[in-house]
This record gives sequence, C-alpha cells and structure tokens, in this order.
Amino acid sequence: ETGVTQTPRHLVMGMTNKKSLKCEQHLGHNAMYWYKQSAKKPLELMFVYNFKEQTENNSVPSRFSPECPNSSHLFLHLHTLQPEDSALYLCASSQGAVGTDTQYFGPGTRLTVL
Amino acid sequence: GQNIDQPTEMTATEGAIVQINCTYQTSGFNGLFWYQQHAGEAPTFLSYNVLDGLEEKGRFSSFLSRSKGYSYLLLKELQMKDSASYLCAVRDSNYQLIWGAGTKLIIKP
Repeated sequence: ETGVTQTPRHLVMGMTNKKSLKCEQHLGHNAMYWYKQSAKKPLELMFVYNFKEQTENNSVPSRFSPECPNSSHLFLHLHTLQPEDSALYLCASSQGAVGTDTQYFGPGTRLTVL
Repeated sequence: GQNIDQPTEMTATEGAIVQINCTYQTSGFNGLFWYQQHAGEAPTFLSYNVLDGLEEKGRFSSFLSRSKGYSYLLLKELQMKDSASYLCAVRDSNYQLIWGAGTKLIIKP
C-alpha cells in the first residue's frame, strides 16, 4: 500500500536538534492529519489541514510546527523536543475533513528523543 | 467526557472465532470505524458502521447497536496473519474521531 508515505520511518534526535517529518499522499485527497500514537494509548489528533488550511490544532505544544504547502504534502517540524515526545507519528488523509470520509494512514515515523 | 473502551489484549487459536468488543460514550454519533494495525505498520481501514446491525466482509464482520453504545468486530477462521491490534473509533457530533486504545490480538497455533 503506497497511498500515504512517510519519511523517515525512524528518527532519533537529541532535545536540541531540529528535524522534520514528511508525509505525502497519492490518493487525491483534500484533508491531511497528524496523529501521535503512544504505547497503549488512543491515537491523539494533533493537526488537521483541509484544502491546505489548518482547521484543527488540539493544544499541541509549539515545539511541533506543521506545514502544508499543498494538498498532497504535509510536514511536521520538530525542535527542542522532550523525551516524552517519543512516539509513533502517523500521517493520514481523507477525501474531506468532515462527513463520512474514511482516513487512510501512512506507516508512521518512530521518533525517539534522547 | 468522551470515552471508547475496548479490551487491552485477547488471545485466540488459529482457525477459531474471536469477538472484539467496543463500547463508547460520546457526544453524538456519526459512525464507528474499525482499523487493523500490524506492529510497526499503518492502521488500515476494516469497516464502517453507521446504522444498527451486522456488516459482513469476508472473514470479518462488524456489529453496531447505537442504543447500547456498543460494537463488536468478529473475526472468523483466524489466521496467524490476523495477529495485530484492532482500533475502534467513533465519529462524534462534531465529526471528530474519538479513538480507543486498541485491542492487541494474539493468535496461537
């Protein structure tokens, strides 16, 4: 399944580093999402973009900064992260951001903050 | 608050049947999703229920009772490849997806 791709698949960074996660969808969808998945916890929605406009920011710390240059690409810029930010970061897309649209996920980036 | 409950872990035998339950308390209801997630991989869509009743897709079926705030995913003729986590998610009145923590299903030979 290559509908939604994410790079890198694994990332180890120190607390003072700056890095970016990339997501690309090849499904012609208009909405894209960032989720955080921690062990044994529900998926946490971080950001939603619909037609390149951010429509949701669920009280995410400013050390996470999203960017959506077009409806096919989504970035998550990371800086001065904390060890508790270590998790699987999942990108998803859907035809629209509301309604009955199903979300399709990428494989995720496994982030470890040292 | 909004809440989705599902068992943390279940074990079943290859060739058998297993039922994974999901109960929810949400502000409104606009559909329930089941996803499968193998370790280290993307969650993949399995089923969507918005009306009461049973939806069947091959070896997998999903049931919904809106009055009881309850759903289950039924897996028949279990195969080793069915070992995965199964995520239940409910779309609330604001069309926000509320996720459960997932049920890890272990299949034994």
